[in-house]
Amino acid sequence: GAGVSQTPSNKVTEKGKYVELRCDPISGHTALYWYRQSLGQGPEFLIYFQGTGAADDSGLPNDRFFAVRPEGSVSTLKIQRTERGDSAVYLCASSRDGTWEQFFGPGTRLTVL
Amino acid sequence: KNQVEQSPQSLIILEGKNCTLQCNYTVSPFSNLRWYKQDTGRGPVSLTIMTFSENTKSNGRYTATLDADTKQSSLHITASQLSDSASYICVVSLMDSSYKLIFGSGTRLLVRP
Repeated sequence: GAGVSQTPSNKVTEKGKYVELRCDPISGHTALYWYRQSLGQGPEFLIYFQGTGAADDSGLPNDRFFAVRPEGSVSTLKIQRTERGDSAVYLCASSRDGTWEQFFGPGTRLTVL
Repeated sequence: KNQVEQSPQSLIILEGKNCTLQCNYTVSPFSNLRWYKQDTGRGPVSLTIMTFSENTKSNGRYTATLDADTKQSSLHITASQLSDSASYICVVSLMDSSYKLIFGSGTRLLVRP
C-alpha cells in the first residue's frame, strides 16, 4: 500500500478482555515500531522490530503487552487482561531500515471500559 | 532523564500571521531532531529532520532552527493557513539508539480566519 495502515481504527473493549491491534507497514520497510499516545501527550515508544525479530522491546509497560511480526511485514500488538489505563491511541510506524524517517499510520484508538 | 519540552502548550493565531514554536531537550547523546505535524485523528507526519551539525532547515512555509549548544529548537511557520491547525511535535533521537524517538507533548496550533 501507499502508506502504513492500522486496523481497527477504533476498538472498545471491557476491562479484563484480550485485544489485538494490527499494523500493515509500507511495502519493503524492514523496520516497524509501535507507540502509545495518551490524550494530550506525545507518543511513547513501545517496541521496535527489524525484520521478524524484536530488536528493542524496552518500552512495553508490562508482560500483558506482546507484539509479533512473524513474516517480517504485518505486525500485531496483543494486550491481555486489558485495564482502563491501557486506553490510548496505539500508533504504528515503519521505516526503510532502523534509521532515519519513520512513517506513521493513523493509529488505533483503544478504549477500555 | 531524556526529556523534550515544548512551549507554548497551545496557540491561536489569525490566518496569514507568522508564529514560532519552541522546543527544549535534555536528550544525550543527541542524534537528530525532528518536527512532526499531527492532524487530529491522524498519525504524525515529518516536517523536518536536523542533525546536530545543522542550524536550520526549511520545508515550504516551515523553517526549523537548532542550537545544539543550548539544546533548543524552534519551528517558524510563515503566512499561516487554516490547514496549519494541528499539533506540532518536537522529537529527538539518541545517538546509540536512533530508532527510539523521544516525543514532546506538542503545541496545539489553531489558525482562525
